Amino acid sequence: KAGVTQTPRYLIKTRGQQVTLSCSPISGHRSVSWYQQTPGQGLQFLFEYFSETQRNKGNFPGRFSGRQFSNSRSEMNVSTLELGDSALYLCASSQQTRSDEKLFFGSGTQLSVL
Amino acid sequence: GDSVTQMEGPVTLSEEAFLTINCTYTATGYPSLFWYVQYPGEGLQLLLKATKADDKGSNKGFEATYRKETTSFHLEKGSVQVSDSAVYFCARRGNDYKLSFGAGTTVTVRA
Repeated sequence: KAGVTQTPRYLIKTRGQQVTLSCSPISGHRSVSWYQQTPGQGLQFLFEYFSETQRNKGNFPGRFSGRQFSNSRSEMNVSTLELGDSALYLCASSQQTRSDEKLFFGSGTQLSVL
Repeated sequence: GDSVTQMEGPVTLSEEAFLTINCTYTATGYPSLFWYVQYPGEGLQLLLKATKADDKGSNKGFEATYRKETTSFHLEKGSVQVSDSAVYFCARRGNDYKLSFGAGTTVTVRA
């Protein structure tokens, strides 16, 4: 089974631009969640999608948005980029039928905002 | 809100030393508890988990016991190896499926 695939692996953008990150979950997984990882803040939960519906949302501004498609692939969009958005963005998938299920993480997209 | 508090790092040890990383969690509801590990250059992967009080999760020589009375889930390993050098994250997930992570503890094991 292929793992969680995130594209692109690296991105460099400038302030004010917008960016879209993609995540393909493991086949059969219906839940996709997104996390922002920075040295200072650790892993912060962004949002979670299940069967195309946003089920949970973290404490990020509205510039951060996402969606999930019928094939469970998910995209995350960040508009009006700020320097502080530079981070590793991780996507994770699971079947999410039970709260004790483990998440499978992708390798992440490293975003640098200049 | 629900949160996890984890021992600050970095932690530097010699091979065969004993490792403990402290973790406490908010006790709202009946969360499942996890330790995830991030090896250099790799993504996060589950190390072990426990789903109810007094459960012990174990994997690769690591252990953690779900302690409801102290709301703790401390990670331990009796004899670490250089290959255990990584960042370790404690996490909780309640019935809302939201996974909350601790800040992460960087562990470096020297030969």
